[in-house]
Amino acid sequence: AQKVTQAQTEISVVEKEDVTLDCVYETRDTTYYLFWYKQPPSGELVFLIRRNSFDEQNEISGRYSWNFQKSTSSFNFTITASQVVDSAVYFCALSALNRDDKIIFGKGTRLHILP
Amino acid sequence: NAGVTQTPKFRVLKTGQSMTLLCAQDMNHEYMYWYRQDPGMGLRLIHYSVGEGTTAKGEVPDGYNVSRLKKQNFLLGLESAAPSQTSVYFCASSYARVSPLHFGNGTRLTVT
Repeated sequence: AQKVTQAQTEISVVEKEDVTLDCVYETRDTTYYLFWYKQPPSGELVFLIRRNSFDEQNEISGRYSWNFQKSTSSFNFTITASQVVDSAVYFCALSALNRDDKIIFGKGTRLHILP
Repeated sequence: NAGVTQTPKFRVLKTGQSMTLLCAQDMNHEYMYWYRQDPGMGLRLIHYSVGEGTTAKGEVPDGYNVSRLKKQNFLLGLESAAPSQTSVYFCASSYARVSPLHFGNGTRLTVT
């Protein structure tokens, strides 16, 4: 069975601190894709990144970085020097290529950046 | 670029009433999805479609029906609304199964 676990329900940090959001996944497939989405207080869902299972290279985009480790089945998301605009709910998701067409989401982590 | 458009944005129903939520995308995507979002539950897949004329059940399909008569539209129907269906509903589309999802802005439905 496929599963995505975001153990941190809610996190609060002070602005400019670094924060890491954890994502642990389960799948028996060897080919799969992992995603992160952001849902700001306005409610829309925005795609942030996609990673496939054959590419374990870390990704950096500005203040955002992602650490993919197959050995621990984790795809963690770090925000460096957090800003108030980073306050949102963040979702991790999994899609396995050889399974059915479902994309499985974690329950999300609500991030509060305090000024 | 409209992307994914959901109508209506808000709706209040009484128990037992029916309604249809419309999702339209202008990106020529094959895959379309309906999710519901409830506090603490994340996004749960209701139904999805892998192309015009096809539909399939997701994680929580009971009480809902869907149709995909045209490639650009994906309709979600509630035949007899229940308070448990109070939720925020999101439609999404993607080019392929493993492509990023493009979401609509959501429909907030309250069933009293």
